[in-house]
Amino acid sequence: EPEVTQTPSHQVTQMGQEVILRCVPISNHLYFYWYRQILGQKVEFLVSFYNNEISEKSEIFDDQFSVERPDGSNFTLKIRSTKLEDSAMYFCASRVAGDVQFFGPGTRLTVL
Amino acid sequence: GQQLNQSPQSMFIQEGEDVSMNCTSSSIFNTWLWYKQDPGEGPVLLIALYKAGELTSNGRLTAQFGITRKDSFLNISASIPSDVGIYFCAGQLNDYKLSFGAGTTVTVRA
Repeated sequence: EPEVTQTPSHQVTQMGQEVILRCVPISNHLYFYWYRQILGQKVEFLVSFYNNEISEKSEIFDDQFSVERPDGSNFTLKIRSTKLEDSAMYFCASRVAGDVQFFGPGTRLTVL
Repeated sequence: GQQLNQSPQSMFIQEGEDVSMNCTSSSIFNTWLWYKQDPGEGPVLLIALYKAGELTSNGRLTAQFGITRKDSFLNISASIPSDVGIYFCAGQLNDYKLSFGAGTTVTVRA
């Protein structure tokens, strides 16, 4: 069964460093999402992406965040200058038109 | 985002027991979804509900979309050890952005 994949599974970085989290959505999906889950808290929406542009973003998704679909398969989330409070699980999700979202296994980001 | 209240926050179950949890919101949703999350993994979709009043089953799981479109419940019948985990409700509007509840942690009682 096709599934969303994410790499790396765990990323450790120093505060102020840039990180890129990678996702490979399910191949025929056209709508892509990033969510964040701080340890012990609920999953929070960050951004949605369709047709090579951001559809909607939350207040969490400030100028330090960006998303990109650099080729036909990858969908990336970049954090330019990480802060301690960026430490969280980051989940990618994708869907086809009219269907529910399927989530990847997540990347655990630890900012030291 | 929309605020969802999910209860209970946690519960202890014994194998064979039925389990029930629910979500309420102050605003309406077009779709209610229930996900399960195991430690270190992403949410896995259990049930999706698309119409007010809809009652849907998936094996031992049953979920209903409240007629006011502001609530939903999930029941697990005859629980087994692998039912432990965190269960999240999520509401969805036409923009497909998901608003999640805080989760219900299900643990097996020793």
